[in-house]
Amino acid sequence: EAGVVQSPRYKIIEKKQPVAFWCNPISGHNTLYWYRQNLGQGPELLIRYENEEAVDDSQLPKDRFSAERLKGVDSTLKIQPAELGDSAVYLCASSLEGLAGQETQYFGPGTRLLVL
Amino acid sequence: SQQGEEDPQALSIQEGENATMNCSYKTSINNLQWYRQNSGRGLVHLILIRSNEREKHSGRLRVTLDTSKKSSSLLITASRAADTASYFCATDVRNRDDKIIFGKGTRLHILP
Repeated sequence: EAGVVQSPRYKIIEKKQPVAFWCNPISGHNTLYWYRQNLGQGPELLIRYENEEAVDDSQLPKDRFSAERLKGVDSTLKIQPAELGDSAVYLCASSLEGLAGQETQYFGPGTRLLVL
Repeated sequence: SQQGEEDPQALSIQEGENATMNCSYKTSINNLQWYRQNSGRGLVHLILIRSNEREKHSGRLRVTLDTSKKSSSLLITASRAADTASYFCATDVRNRDDKIIFGKGTRLHILP
């Protein structure tokens, strides 16, 4: 079974440029997450989707970040315009949510973004 | 703010020794999970323990949960070089949002 797929793996851009990340979750997983992980820190949730609905985007900087999961499968996270402080690893994860709450999350390899 | 906080921040031990990492959290949870992250990679799920469980084993891993103290520990027995990684606890917070929150991690280094 294929795991969570993310692309690109690495991206270097100049500040003020736009950038987009793509994620394809594990087949059948209804919940998809985007996290940002700064160096030496744990992942911080940006947005969580249940199917095509964004159920938690409280941590997403909405002035420059946007995300979509139009058909409830793959998802795109966009930053426009990028700032120096956006340099981080952007992780996508998916899970099959159970009745007891958030279940095991399966992570992709991440996209490492460097903003110059 | 982060719900879970791992302790210690970094740990170096000799191969073959046991490694213990702790996680403390602030609010009631549905479950607590431990993840491992090798350098430059995504996180890998290790073990999930529910709020009504006290101890769980998986291979060389042993996780305990004390809900009265709001803390959990991860024990890796007979450590190997391949165990070198960062270890994160993630808490599923029991509220309307059912948010899962990661700690900052413990960086474990196994010395040959």
